[in-house]
Amino acid sequence: AQTVTQSQPEMSVQEAETVTLSCTYDTSESNYYLFWYKQPPSRQMILVIRQEAYKQQNATENRFSVNFQKAAKSFSLKISDSQLGDTAMYFCAFMKPPGDDKIIFGKGTRLHILP
Amino acid sequence: DTEVTQTPKHLVMGMTNKKSLKCEQHMGHRAMYWYKQKAKKPPELMFVYSYEKLSINESVPSRFSPECPNSSLLNLHLHALQPEDSALYLCASSHSGEKYNSPLHFGNGTRLTVT
Repeated sequence: AQTVTQSQPEMSVQEAETVTLSCTYDTSESNYYLFWYKQPPSRQMILVIRQEAYKQQNATENRFSVNFQKAAKSFSLKISDSQLGDTAMYFCAFMKPPGDDKIIFGKGTRLHILP
Repeated sequence: DTEVTQTPKHLVMGMTNKKSLKCEQHMGHRAMYWYKQKAKKPPELMFVYSYEKLSINESVPSRFSPECPNSSLLNLHLHALQPEDSALYLCASSHSGEKYNSPLHFGNGTRLTVT
């Protein structure tokens, strides 16, 4: 069975700093997808970034980037130039290839951006 | 603006009431999901519909009854709930069975309180 582990329950950083959120996962699959979701106090789950396991290049979306280490089964999220609006719960998620509609979430990291 | 619309935003119901949660999407997605989320926890999968057929039921009690009238609509019928069922109920949708990664698109959720 697949598992997703986020080892940092809570983090705080100053505005404009860079912060890295950790995520590790366990799977015997060779192809899969990984996601980071953000859930601000408004409670909507928002997709931040996605990564296909067969792609070696790390995904980037503006200030958000990932460090995907397939052999180590690690998928960390880096937020550069953090902003107050980045304050949220961040969930790492794993999905097997198409044919399995199930997504597995980690327990989340609560991130506070301090003014 | 969310592309997955959930109504109502808040619901308070007694343990003998019958109520329904509604979810609608117009993105052409063929997979729709119900998740339950307790405070400070990740979403827990309840049900998945793929092409209007129930494909996953995560051993959810029968007091929760899902329904997918068509590819755009998803309902969750509630009857004889318990106070511990109080939670945020999230609806999501995605492409299903496609040969590319398909992240979930979430609605804003319904905050349910059972008294």
